[in-house]
Amino acid sequence: GESVGLHLPTLSVQEGDNSIINCAYSNSASDYFIWYKQESGKGPQFIIDIRSNMDKRQGQRVTVLLNKTVKHLSLQIAATQPGDSAVYFCAVKRRDNYGQNFVFGPGTRLSVLP
Amino acid sequence: DADVTQTPRNRITKTGKRIMLECSQTKGHDRMYWYRQDPGLGLRLIYYSFDVKDINKGEISDGYSVSRQAQAKFSLSLESAIPNQTALYFCATSDSDREQYFGPGTRLTVT
Repeated sequence: GESVGLHLPTLSVQEGDNSIINCAYSNSASDYFIWYKQESGKGPQFIIDIRSNMDKRQGQRVTVLLNKTVKHLSLQIAATQPGDSAVYFCAVKRRDNYGQNFVFGPGTRLSVLP
Repeated sequence: DADVTQTPRNRITKTGKRIMLECSQTKGHDRMYWYRQDPGLGLRLIYYSFDVKDINKGEISDGYSVSRQAQAKFSLSLESAIPNQTALYFCATSDSDREQYFGPGTRLTVT
């Protein structure tokens, strides 16, 4: 089956620095990817998405990069703020038996240091 | 008011008990989902429904059942709870095959 993994379960950055969170996926046919943010005690919240026909997409202070050659996805957060402290995980659209649903990575917990 | 609500938010129950988790949404979406989240693991799909008459099993449906009472309501049942069903449960909705909108979660503990 498909799998999605992350390189680091935790990441600590200084306030004001840039953060980079990574995700790896297994299925080269995957064509749609999402990054979610989950704050403590809350449900996941959509941050940004990207389709496989793009390599890069920018939002407000966030950038998603997609490297299809190595099946790697990253989320960059510019000028990290205390409010960015949360768990971040990627979601990759399934290409197996479960319709057009997603497989989710385990998440990276981002801590912003003052 | 929240677009996706879940009740209860926390529940402690004993092994063998039947329990129902409820989800309601005001987003008008046809698609609804139930996931469980365990420490160190990604969200795993339990059941999903693309409209009121459509129910589909996800990757970990054993021990669970669902009911889609209306477009806005999707409930998850554990017929006979067991300790390894202790987890955080999320309901989600969507109107397409793109992003999903999640509720706040239900923390379930089975003793």
